[in-house]
Amino acid sequence: GEDVEQSLFLSVREGDSSVINCTYTDSSSTYLYWYKQEPGAGLQLLTYIFSNMDMKQDQRLTVLLNKKDKHLSLRIADTQTGDSAIYFCAAESGGSYIPTFGRGTSLIVHP
Amino acid sequence: DVKVTQSSRYLVKRTGEKVFLECVQDMDHENMFWYRQDPGLGLRLIYFSYDVKMKEKGDIPEGYSVSREKKERFSLILESASTNQTSMYLCASKTLGSVSTEAFFGQGTRLTVV
Repeated sequence: GEDVEQSLFLSVREGDSSVINCTYTDSSSTYLYWYKQEPGAGLQLLTYIFSNMDMKQDQRLTVLLNKKDKHLSLRIADTQTGDSAIYFCAAESGGSYIPTFGRGTSLIVHP
Repeated sequence: DVKVTQSSRYLVKRTGEKVFLECVQDMDHENMFWYRQDPGLGLRLIYFSYDVKMKEKGDIPEGYSVSREKKERFSLILESASTNQTSMYLCASKTLGSVSTEAFFGQGTRLTVV
């Protein structure tokens, strides 16, 4: 089955850019998601990209997809303390409707 | 505003008790999921359901069962709670469609088994 890997922690200074990386194993993964979990809450969809795209930009967020290497990244520009959260990468193959999640990256933003 | 509601935020149960975790969604979604979340392990799929009375095992179904008698409600059952089932439990729902869609999550139930 699908396996999704991401590093567990990232620490950045406020105002810097954050880059969270993710790799997945199933080359048939069609939909790739980034979810955000704030303390004490469930997950909320942050952004997504389809496998036929290389890049997607949404305000401060940029998602890059390298299908050949099965590598996904999320860049947050001008990171703020309010961005401190756990970020989950998820991959889903077309027709399965079942996302497989990574372990989550805890982003810590310090002044 | 779309909603997935889990019946409890916090639960404390004794070893050996039968535990019910309830989840209700108001979006008429076909798919519903139960995950458990543990530090360093991320989200692991316990069971999912793609229709009323239909269920499929996920990656870690042992010690759990589920019930989906109505489309909007998906229950997770711990037949005999054990301390290694102490965890955060997250319910999610998702529609079927020609393109995939986001999963909507409840706020989570933190279960402690003592």
